[in-house]
Amino acid sequence: DVKVTQSSRYLVKRTGEKVFLECVQDMDHENMFWYRQDPGLGLRLIYFSYDVKMKEKGDIPEGYSVSREKKERFSLILESASTNQTSMYLCAGGRPFKYGYTFGSGTRLTVV
Amino acid sequence: KQEVTQIPAALSVPEGENLVLNCSFTDSAIYNLQWFRQDPGKGLTSLLLIQSSQREQTSGRLNASLDKSSGRSTLYIAASQPGDSATYLCAAIPTGANSKLTFGKGITLSVRP
Repeated sequence: DVKVTQSSRYLVKRTGEKVFLECVQDMDHENMFWYRQDPGLGLRLIYFSYDVKMKEKGDIPEGYSVSREKKERFSLILESASTNQTSMYLCAGGRPFKYGYTFGSGTRLTVV
Repeated sequence: KQEVTQIPAALSVPEGENLVLNCSFTDSAIYNLQWFRQDPGKGLTSLLLIQSSQREQTSGRLNASLDKSSGRSTLYIAASQPGDSATYLCAAIPTGANSKLTFGKGITLSVRP
C-alpha cells in the first residue's frame, strides 16, 4: 500500500511567520495534492503537482506556494501566515487510474 | 465543471441496520470513483476504488457500485456497527492526464448502540 506521510500532526505558528508543511509519499506516483478542510466548506484544493517541478493552482492558491524538487516530496508554503489560514491541511498522492489516491493523516495548523 | 453531491449531510441509524450512502455527480466523463472514510480530526482513509471498467467493488461489509450513465454511486454498509460512525466522502476522478479529485461534502454517519 502507498504511504503518504505529513511531517507534523499539530502546528502552532505566529502571524507573519513563513510556514512549511511537508508531505512525502513512498511510491513513484506522479500526482500529489494539497487540500485544506474547514467545517461547512469541505475539502478545497490549494495546489496540485503532476510531476517534478510541475505545479498547478487549485481553487484557493492565494497566500500559498508549493515546491516539488523530488518526486516523493511535495511541500506547501505559507509565505506569511495569517489567522484565516488556521485549518486542517491534507496531502494526497496517487496514481489515479490504477490505485486511486492515498491521504496523509493531516496537519492541524493554528495561526495565532 | 464537475459537481459531486452527497445527501443527506448526516444520518443516524441503530446498530445492525443495513444502509446505503448516495453520491451523485454531474459529469459522467469520470474514470474512477473513490470512497473515503474520515474520523474526527484525522485524515482520509480510502475504502474502495471503483474503476470505470467495473460496476462495483466489495471489501468486507462494504460494497460500492458505480453507474456512470445515471451519474450515481452508492456505498452499501451491511450490519452497521458503532465503529462505522464517521464521515464518508466520495470523490470523482476524471479522465485526462492530470486527474484532480472532485469531492462531495460527505455524509456524517452515526450508528447508535
